[in-house]
Amino acid sequence: EPEVTQTPSHQVTQMGQEVILRCVPISNHLYFYWYRQILGQKVEFLVSFYNNEISEKSEIFDDQFSVERPDGSNFTLKIRSTKLEDSAMYFCASSRALSGSNQPQHFGDGTRLSIL
Amino acid sequence: DQQVKQNSPSLSVQEGRISILNCDYTNSMFDYFLWYKKYPAEGPTFLISISSIKDKNEDGRFTVFLNKSAKHLSLHIVPSQPGDSAVYFCAASRMYSGGGADGLTFGKGTHLIIQP
Repeated sequence: EPEVTQTPSHQVTQMGQEVILRCVPISNHLYFYWYRQILGQKVEFLVSFYNNEISEKSEIFDDQFSVERPDGSNFTLKIRSTKLEDSAMYFCASSRALSGSNQPQHFGDGTRLSIL
Repeated sequence: DQQVKQNSPSLSVQEGRISILNCDYTNSMFDYFLWYKKYPAEGPTFLISISSIKDKNEDGRFTVFLNKSAKHLSLHIVPSQPGDSAVYFCAASRMYSGGGADGLTFGKGTHLIIQP
């Protein structure tokens, strides 16, 4: 069964450094998403991406964050200048868009980001 | 701002019996609801979904019920098996939002423990 893959599984970064989290969505999916889960809290939506542009974003997704689909398979989340509060598990998800149909999002196993 | 609420942090059920997990929502714009299962160190795995035009959806041992007037949904697992022990997340979104790819709003999760 096709799956969403994320690398690395754990990333340790110094505060103020840039970090890039990588995801390979399911190949025939058209919508891509990033979520985060701070330890002990809910999974929170960050951003969705369709047709090479941001579709929706939450209040969390400020100017420090950016997303990109640099080629036909990867989807990346960049945090420009990391803060301690960016420490969280980051999940990538993808879904297949079908007009008028319900299409669930499928998640990767996440990247644990630790900011020191 | 808890738009999706799972009020039971944990639930213990005997193997072979029915597990019932509950979820309430407050945003009347939600029209697509999903249940995910999550094991430690893995991403959420899609289980079953329901749109607001239905009140029941069944898939094998899993059935989701939706009560729109009460803004309540439940997941029934019958019979419960040891492998069902995991954290279960309720999530909601707007299915049609003018073409935008809406992010999911998650509940805090219920830890289901199946006892032999």
